[in-house]
Amino acid sequence: AQSVSQHNHHVILSEAASLELGCNYSYGGTVNLFWYVQYPGQHLQLLLKYFSGDPLVKGIKGFEAEFIKSKFSFNLRKPSVQWSDTAEYFCAVNALNTGNQFYFGTGTSLTVIP
Amino acid sequence: DAGVTQSPTHLIKTRGQQVTLRCSPISGHKSVSWYQQVLGQGPQFIFQYYEKEERGRGNFPDRFSARQFPNYSSELNVNALLLGDSALYLCASKWEGLGNEQFFGPGTRLTVL
Repeated sequence: AQSVSQHNHHVILSEAASLELGCNYSYGGTVNLFWYVQYPGQHLQLLLKYFSGDPLVKGIKGFEAEFIKSKFSFNLRKPSVQWSDTAEYFCAVNALNTGNQFYFGTGTSLTVIP
Repeated sequence: DAGVTQSPTHLIKTRGQQVTLRCSPISGHKSVSWYQQVLGQGPQFIFQYYEKEERGRGNFPDRFSARQFPNYSSELNVNALLLGDSALYLCASKWEGLGNEQFFGPGTRLTVL
């Protein structure tokens, strides 16, 4: 079945640690890829997106993600996390051969300890 | 500019009742999508509407229906509510075009007792 997988369900890091959250998808064809963040009590916000071109994309707040087509992956990274990065992170795939629908992973809860 | 707005913010219903949730997209956005987010899960796609026409439907029963109005606002209706329908219902809008990002509203928290 087609799916979006986020293997890290809950991550706990100390401030200044590096972060990498995994995202794999199983849709064929052309895809657009997104990472959304949901801070406590707030609605989903876009962190970054990949449509085409350079597979390394940079987003807001120092986040970046790398699209590796051969691995069907779009992992999120940040070199040094801050307490304010504590949030839920969702990977999403816009599979263009499925009627332009968006499919979300189950999310990764990140807790950053000061 | 106002973002995506949804009403009501919270709603409590009992099993068997019907509910209508409302969404106003960002000005200029003609595409509206609805998602269900159960606690601890990612958003699950329910419907997408564009120019008042249904563009996509997720794997939800026929108890779920939606429509889009000429001003591009949208309503999600759920009939014969079940306990399992308790969730955060999210609306997202986007300017139609391949890959354009969606902007999400704050959601409506539905509790079914």
